[in-house]
Amino acid sequence: EAGVAQSPRYKIIEKRQSVAFWCNPISGHATLYWYQQILGQGPKLLIQFQNNGVVDDSQLPKDRFSAERLKGVDSTLKIQPAKLEDSAVYLCASSLKGQGLNTEAFFGQGTRLTVV
Amino acid sequence: AQTVTQSQPEMSVQEAETVTLSCTYDTSESDYYLFWYKQPPSRQMILVIRQEAYKQQNATENRFSVNFQKAAKSFSLKISDSQLGDAAMYFCAYRSYSGAGSYQLTFGKGTKLSVIP
Repeated sequence: EAGVAQSPRYKIIEKRQSVAFWCNPISGHATLYWYQQILGQGPKLLIQFQNNGVVDDSQLPKDRFSAERLKGVDSTLKIQPAKLEDSAVYLCASSLKGQGLNTEAFFGQGTRLTVV
Repeated sequence: AQTVTQSQPEMSVQEAETVTLSCTYDTSESDYYLFWYKQPPSRQMILVIRQEAYKQQNATENRFSVNFQKAAKSFSLKISDSQLGDAAMYFCAYRSYSGAGSYQLTFGKGTKLSVIP
């Protein structure tokens, strides 16, 4: 079974530039998450989708971050304009809907963003 | 809001020995799931073990086991017979309901585990 795919693996941009990350979840997973992991900290949820609808985006800095999940499969996360403090690893994860067995979140390898 | 606390930023263990990583959490819910994830340098979060709060029996997965103390809101991870491949960041996570039939994870800050040959 293919895992969660993310691209690119690394990105370096200058502040005030824009950047986009792409995620392809595991086939059949209705729930998709974007997490931000700053160096030395645990992942923090930015946005959660159920199919193509947003479940929770309370911690997404909406003045500069946006995300979409068209057709309820792939997702893109965009930052425009980027700030130095956006330097982090951006992790995408997906899971089946519900709370039973085998509904844990599976993670991609993340995109390491450096803003200079 | 749920919070997860890992009080040990770094730990080390001799190869083949046993180590315990600590985690405490705060919640007002009675039914929930707790997880330990491993994050090697490749950055991919890998599920190590899961505990359902309504189960009193501690979860075990091969060399990994937990000590779940619901009343104390404590969820520690024990790694037995430590191997070099166990070296990684370990994150404790609490899963809460976020609506629309889906759930989300709240992570601790992590513990960096080093294994000494």
